[in-house]
Amino acid sequence: DAKTTQPNSMESNEEEPVHLPCNHSTISGTDYIHWYRQLPSQGPEYVIHGLTSNVNNRMASLAIAEDRKSSTLILHRATLRDAAVYYCIPTNTGNQFYFGTGTSLTVIP
Amino acid sequence: DADVTQTPRNRITKTGKRIMLECSQTKGHDRMYWYRQDPGLGLRLIYYSFDVKDINKGEISDGYSVSRQAQAKFSLSLESAIPNQTALYFCATSSTGPYNEQFFGPGTRLTVL
Repeated sequence: DAKTTQPNSMESNEEEPVHLPCNHSTISGTDYIHWYRQLPSQGPEYVIHGLTSNVNNRMASLAIAEDRKSSTLILHRATLRDAAVYYCIPTNTGNQFYFGTGTSLTVIP
Repeated sequence: DADVTQTPRNRITKTGKRIMLECSQTKGHDRMYWYRQDPGLGLRLIYYSFDVKDINKGEISDGYSVSRQAQAKFSLSLESAIPNQTALYFCATSSTGPYNEQFFGPGTRLTVL
């Protein structure tokens, strides 16, 4: 599975956009890029996933670089409830996820 | 009611004791997983099961065993608990097929003294 590099922590002001980067330079052609987040004292929850094209859903957008070696999770308007650890998980084995340490997002009121 | 439930939610035990953590799901998913999370770290996969007759080791299976009693139930056992198994344990489920989202339970906090 591809190794990932994410910032340990990031801060954002409430109601401003947040761009969470992830480098996955060893990603294979069949790896999907999944993003999960873990709110305090809860299990992880699915955010979004994609393969090559940018993806949007009600929670976030996923921008994937043309060479697929990096991706960015975009929260369009951060709320206090978005404070969480965000995990970027490239995988080609369907459901064997390898979580790294993720990015801890702090949202400032 | 929650789709994925774990029991107990908290457990304190002593070194050498046998412990079983249970997971139940009402989502009708075939696939179930057990993860472990240590403070400040991400989740690591212990075991996973793609159906009742299919059990697979994950990244860190040593010291653990599992049982898939039914489609909806997946138990994790520590045969002889040791202090470095103190952690937060999560169960998850997903439907059949690749790239489907995993749904996680609320977690079990286990402390081994």
